[in-house]
Amino acid sequence: DIQLTQSPSSLSASVGDKVTITCRASQTISNYLNWYQQKPGKAPNLLIYDASTLQSGVPSRFSGSGSGTDFTLTITSLQPEDFATYYCQQSYTPRTFGQGTKVEIK
Amino acid sequence: EVQLVESGGGLVKPGGSLRLSCAASGFSFTNVWMSWVRQAPGQGLEWVGLIKRKTEGETIHYAAPVKGRFIIARDDSEGILYLQMNSLRTEDSAVYYCATGLSNGYAWWGQGTLVTVSS
Repeated sequence: DIQLTQSPSSLSASVGDKVTITCRASQTISNYLNWYQQKPGKAPNLLIYDASTLQSGVPSRFSGSGSGTDFTLTITSLQPEDFATYYCQQSYTPRTFGQGTKVEIK
Repeated sequence: EVQLVESGGGLVKPGGSLRLSCAASGFSFTNVWMSWVRQAPGQGLEWVGLIKRKTEGETIHYAAPVKGRFIIARDDSEGILYLQMNSLRTEDSAVYYCATGLSNGYAWWGQGTLVTVSS
């Protein structure tokens, strides 16, 4: 199975900061990498699919990049509603998720 | 409007069984792969399995921890996804979500149903 390792596991940031989260796959997955945001008690929300395609309705301050084994989610100018946990997920079968990155208020 | 509504969760003893359902509406159910994802309390997301379309033989894939114990099925005529869970263990306690989408990502999720395995 393909393992996904996210870093960092948590981070503290301020409103307006630029935040970068990385996801590394244990083997090449082309661009089959998706990013989700999850808030407490809620289902995850798809932000980015196929590594860099912004899901409809997601603000443009979210962006994704990478291919092969190394991927990045970037949030430019962090907003109050962005404090949440973020997960990467690969689309090969069996599918797997990263362990999550919690973005907290500094 | 796309809706996925899970039901069937509850409290069950170790070794017991439970069947979850996910009622889908607002999209062409027959044309999508359907998946189950779970989340143990305070933990991350864990993929459980998926079932492909009828045109693809309804091929099913499972995560290793549930293979041989869980069964995924779909009823295209009713637009319902099922998860039959047998030989339940305490580590199967989680919120179970059904999820799908038109792209490679899971754009649509249910609200989740809580399964608690405890004696």
